[in-house]
Amino acid sequence: AQTVTQSQPEMSVQEAETVTLSCTYDTSESDYYLFWYKQPPSRQMILVIRQEAYKQQNATENRFSVNFQKAAKSFSLKISDSQLGDAAMYFCAYRRTFGNEKLTFGTGTRLTIIP
Amino acid sequence: ETGVTQSPTHLIKTRGQQVTLRCSSQSGHNTVSWYQQALGQGPQFIFQYYREEENGRGNFPPRFSGLQFPNYSSELNVNALELDDSALYLCASSSPGQPNTEAFFGQGTRLTVV
Repeated sequence: AQTVTQSQPEMSVQEAETVTLSCTYDTSESDYYLFWYKQPPSRQMILVIRQEAYKQQNATENRFSVNFQKAAKSFSLKISDSQLGDAAMYFCAYRRTFGNEKLTFGTGTRLTIIP
Repeated sequence: ETGVTQSPTHLIKTRGQQVTLRCSSQSGHNTVSWYQQALGQGPQFIFQYYREEENGRGNFPPRFSGLQFPNYSSELNVNALELDDSALYLCASSSPGQPNTEAFFGQGTRLTVV
């Protein structure tokens, strides 16, 4: 079974600074997707960034980028130039490429932005 | 905002009662997944429906059941409610095989069992 671990229950960062959220996972599959989702107080899960395991290049979406280390099964999220609107719960998630499309989530990291 | 809508947004039920939660999937999506998110936890997969058939189930008892309709909307039914069923229930729709295989989530239904 796949597992996703987020070891940082809470993180805080000064506005405009950079913060990195950690995630490790375990799987026997070679092909899969990894995601970072943001859940603000509105409760809706919003996709931040996606990484396909077969791609060596790290995904980037504006101020958000990942450091994907397949051999180490590590998938961290870097947020640059942090903004007040980035405050939320962040969840790392895993999904197999084929078959059932269920997402396996970590326990989340609560990110606070300090003005 | 995504095109996934869930109803109701909040619900209070008594232990032992039954509840039905509803989800309308995004246009063009034929797959709906349901997740339970307990307070302070990550979402846990309940089950998934693809073209009206169950397509995978998580570690939840049979009193959690579902349906998907021809228009791909879905229901989650929970019988004999227990206090531990209190949680946020999230619905996500997706369309397998599409280039951008991303799941879009609704805003959830907050269920409180008293």
